[in-house]
Amino acid sequence: GAVVSQHPSRVICKSGTSVKIECRSLDFQATTMFWYRQFPKQSLMLMATSNEGSKATYEQGVEKDKFLINHASLTLSTLTVTSAHPEDSSFYICSAKGGRRGYTFGSGTRLTVV
Amino acid sequence: GENVEQHPSTLSVQEGDSAVIKCTYSDSASNYFPWYKQELGKGPQLIIDIRSNVGEKKDQRIAVTLNKTAKHFSLHITETQPEDSAVYFCAASPDYQGAQKLVFGQGTRLTINP
Repeated sequence: GAVVSQHPSRVICKSGTSVKIECRSLDFQATTMFWYRQFPKQSLMLMATSNEGSKATYEQGVEKDKFLINHASLTLSTLTVTSAHPEDSSFYICSAKGGRRGYTFGSGTRLTVV
Repeated sequence: GENVEQHPSTLSVQEGDSAVIKCTYSDSASNYFPWYKQELGKGPQLIIDIRSNVGEKKDQRIAVTLNKTAKHFSLHITETQPEDSAVYFCAASPDYQGAQKLVFGQGTRLTINP
């Protein structure tokens, strides 16, 4: 079945630094990847949609300069949280979609900004 | 845009009993309705999905029903077991094979009491 690998699973960083999260589709080509953010006891909120080789489309209210998304290949997308602050602490989840495959989710990244 | 409402937010049932979670959606263009199970600290896992050309789908103890006229769909879990305890999310999308985003419901925390 479709597998999406997301790394790291947990990261702690200091306020003001940047953090990069990777999302890889291991056994299929992901033409579209989605990045979600989930606060405790809440639903998944879509941050942005990225298609391979083109700029990401951000949802309303999501700062594109703060959350940099790169979808450079059909198997890799990265989310970089720049100048992280404590309020950016959250659970970030990627999802990949390709061909006839449905939406496959990564295992998530718990970001803690101290 | 699409709006998905999910009820109840919490559900507690005795082991062996059935659990039902309901969702409604607003966009009549939606034609793909997946259900996800999310365990603590992990990404969502697809447990069953249904497309608009069928009204019901079953996979062992799990079934999903869809009423396109009323714009609602439900998840049914029979013979519940302690390992069914998790948060369940419904979602809707207008295009299973395209790049359309999933819109999630608010989630249901299901607890199975031994």
